[in-house]
Amino acid sequence: ELKVEQNPLFLSMQEGKNYTIYCNYSTTSDRLYWYRQDPGKSLESLFVLLSNGAVKQEGRLMASLDTKARLSTLHITAAVHDLSATYFCAVAPHLNTGTASKLTFGTGTRLQVTL
Amino acid sequence: DSGVTQTPKHLITATGQRVTLRCSPRSGDLSVYWYQQSLDQGLQFLIQYYNGEERAKGNILERFSAQQFPDLHSELNLSSLELGDSALYFCASSVDSIQETQYFGPGTRLLVL
Repeated sequence: ELKVEQNPLFLSMQEGKNYTIYCNYSTTSDRLYWYRQDPGKSLESLFVLLSNGAVKQEGRLMASLDTKARLSTLHITAAVHDLSATYFCAVAPHLNTGTASKLTFGTGTRLQVTL
Repeated sequence: DSGVTQTPKHLITATGQRVTLRCSPRSGDLSVYWYQQSLDQGLQFLIQYYNGEERAKGNILERFSAQQFPDLHSELNLSSLELGDSALYFCASSVDSIQETQYFGPGTRLLVL
């Protein structure tokens, strides 16, 4: 069974600082997704990482994937208050498992950026 | 706005009752997914339909069922409701079953009293 762990669960950071959220998963996968959720709202797709070594950046967020280590990171550069939200990683099983579209989500990292 | 619509937004009902949640995918998307989000279980995949057929099943209770209609909208039926079924239910859609990303609807918040 695929398990996905995120850490930290909660992150309080000051504006202007850098930090990294980690996402570890337990079995082979070649697709990993990052989502953002604001309180009481839906999930917004941030990044799709489809291969080992994939790196994607959007604004102050950068995501990377290391399939050999079964690890993805979401790096936040010079945080601003608008980034306060809960961030989820989600992992899809390997394409040859027959359940390739079933996403398993991490527990989420609640990010609070203070002024 | 992801383009995925869900109705109703909120639903309050009593234990033992049955409810139906509705989802319309983005235009052109053939796959529909249902997820449950609760404080104790987190975000859990329930079931996926692709072009009218069931494709993948997750932690979906036997009291729950879903279907996708010819016009590609989907319904999630929850019956014999229990207090623990109170949660946020999301529908997501994607172009095909081996997707690049799933786009999530606004969710239906279900409260069982």
